[in-house]
Amino acid sequence: KQEVTQIPAALSVPEGENLVLNCSFTDSAIYNLQWFRQDPGKGLTSLLLIQSSQREQTSGRLNASLDKSSGRSTLYIAASQPGDSATYLCAVITSGTYKYIFGTGTRLKVLA
Amino acid sequence: EAGVAQSPRYKIIEKRQSVAFWCNPISGHATLYWYQQILGQGPKLLIQFQNNGVVDDSQLPKDRFSAERLKGVDSTLKIQPAKLEDSAVYLCASSFGGREIPETEAFFGQGTRLTVV
Repeated sequence: KQEVTQIPAALSVPEGENLVLNCSFTDSAIYNLQWFRQDPGKGLTSLLLIQSSQREQTSGRLNASLDKSSGRSTLYIAASQPGDSATYLCAVITSGTYKYIFGTGTRLKVLA
Repeated sequence: EAGVAQSPRYKIIEKRQSVAFWCNPISGHATLYWYQQILGQGPKLLIQFQNNGVVDDSQLPKDRFSAERLKGVDSTLKIQPAKLEDSAVYLCASSFGGREIPETEAFFGQGTRLTVV
């Protein structure tokens, strides 16, 4: 059974810091992996989708990497801003049924 | 392109009452998902449809939850009777493809926040 874990559960950093959020999964037979952002009381906003054949994806200040063999993905946020404060969720997409399995999220607070 | 629409945004009911949520996916999307997100947790899949067929409902509490996707477009999720532990955000998502066309990127609606008192 696929399990997804995110560390740390919460993180508070001063503005301008570079930071890394971690996601690990137990079954390396995944189809894709996707990172989402969730603001309080809101739905999920897709940040980056990494296909299983890819090693990383970049969008602006965000970079996500994927290492299937070790069951890990990292989301790197450069030069963090208060507007980055949100919960970040990673989800693996299973092969075959294309089901999303989510981690419990990292709650990020960037202090001005 | 319009996103995934959900209604209502908020609902408060008493335990043992019934409630229904509605989802309109992005036009042309074959796959539709319902997720339950309890406060402080990641979303958990309740049911996955491809067109109007069920792909996975293994985590749907079938004694009280039901879902349908008539004509392979809109979907409704119903809870009857509701329990206190059903308090959560219910998220609907859709993606273009399915098993034959695995364009899997899912787009999520704003969710319906249910409070059972």
